[in-house]
Amino acid sequence: GAGVSQTPSNKVTEKGKYVELRCDPISGHTALYWYRQSLGQGPEFLIYFQGTGAADDSGLPNDRFFAVRPEGSVSTLKIQRTERGDSAVYLCASSLGGPPGAPLHFGNGTRLTVT
Amino acid sequence: TQLLEQSPQFLSIQEGENLTVYCNSSSVFSSLQWYRQEPGEGPVLLVTVVTGGEVKKLKRLTFQFGDARKDSSLHITAAQPGDTGLYLCAGASGRGSTLGRLYFGRGTQLTVWP
Repeated sequence: GAGVSQTPSNKVTEKGKYVELRCDPISGHTALYWYRQSLGQGPEFLIYFQGTGAADDSGLPNDRFFAVRPEGSVSTLKIQRTERGDSAVYLCASSLGGPPGAPLHFGNGTRLTVT
Repeated sequence: TQLLEQSPQFLSIQEGENLTVYCNSSSVFSSLQWYRQEPGEGPVLLVTVVTGGEVKKLKRLTFQFGDARKDSSLHITAAQPGDTGLYLCAGASGRGSTLGRLYFGRGTQLTVWP
């Protein structure tokens, strides 16, 4: 069956621009997660949704980052006024049921490069 | 500061050798997961360990969770080139406001040469 789909797979943008990253979770998965992975690092938690609501957004680095999941399925991560330090792979994951214990299924990520 | 420290960071071995990768923390986790990640792809879950002292085997891979639930190890027997990849451990606190969060280590990059 279809896995977690993330689009675009690559995004190059100029410093100061606005970007949106999309995540299509596995159908029926109620929990959705965003992580960020910088070069040579493990994934770093950003935000977790249970249904339509953000259950934990404490990993978002600052108020330039925002994520929504209006219908409890697709999610969009939005970054305003991008900075070079935002360059990373942004990973989305979904799980059937919530934590703890439910295995996460990751997408292949969006590689964001801010020039 | 990494909550989970993985060692070694890089490991390069010949096909057929055995190896062990370590994941250590000063924090207690309700569960610990091991993932493998290949270039350009997301991490893929290998195993979840929940009980202190638990040992799980997945073909040639053996996973152990420390008695105090602060550390874990992954042992691979007779490594094969197909085992090449980035191995990540991730801990879950399993409670409170961080219920949904996994804390990842930096990973061990394993290369197995034919």
